[in-house]
Amino acid sequence: EDKVVQSPLSLVVHEGDTVTLNCSYEVTNFRSLLWYKQEKKAPTFLFMLTSSGIEKKSGRLSSILDKKELFSILNITATQTGDSAVYLCAVREVSGGSNYKLTFGKGTLLTVNP
Amino acid sequence: NAGVTQTPKFRILKIGQSMTLQCAQDMNHNYMYWYRQDPGMGLKLIYYSVGAGITDKGEVPNGYNVSRSTTEDFPLRLELAAPSQTSVYFCASSPHTEAFFGQGTRLTVV
Repeated sequence: EDKVVQSPLSLVVHEGDTVTLNCSYEVTNFRSLLWYKQEKKAPTFLFMLTSSGIEKKSGRLSSILDKKELFSILNITATQTGDSAVYLCAVREVSGGSNYKLTFGKGTLLTVNP
Repeated sequence: NAGVTQTPKFRILKIGQSMTLQCAQDMNHNYMYWYRQDPGMGLKLIYYSVGAGITDKGEVPNGYNVSRSTTEDFPLRLELAAPSQTSVYFCASSPHTEAFFGQGTRLTVV
């Protein structure tokens, strides 16, 4: 079964709306959770979260991690059409000694209409 | 600074052919990863490496092989290509923090 589950899988909003994207995970030796934005090509890095309750913020985007509930959210306020993209959540875990495995969810496709 | 470089950008293979997707990074990162991304899907881990000489299987390793003879290079080999391997392939490298991605290789097997 999937170790990293994102919801919703797709979302359509109007410019100016606020959206919340969800990521839940189930791994044995958690190290960090990362959010990426993917437009046409390669994913671009947004945030890395390692500690619970500490919000990371960049402009209109923010994210927070709850390690007890194994959950993270990505918030986007005052959405713009340029925010339209697939948002990917990834979890880094230690697998077998010092092997750092990075597992991605299926992503949330966000469409922002003018 | 080139970052992560993948070649080729596009390739069409016939069923049963083999090929190597190249990936090179110049950031001296220990960790390198190969993912495939099917339409409308997230990234599935094929193989990863924690350093030269060390590789490990990800979620979908069947039909692929890798090697890591140097820190910089992490080629992905497809033997006996099948239509199910039609996908976009991303290579990434990482220190202990974020992963940096190459621009991808779009592979079609016909």
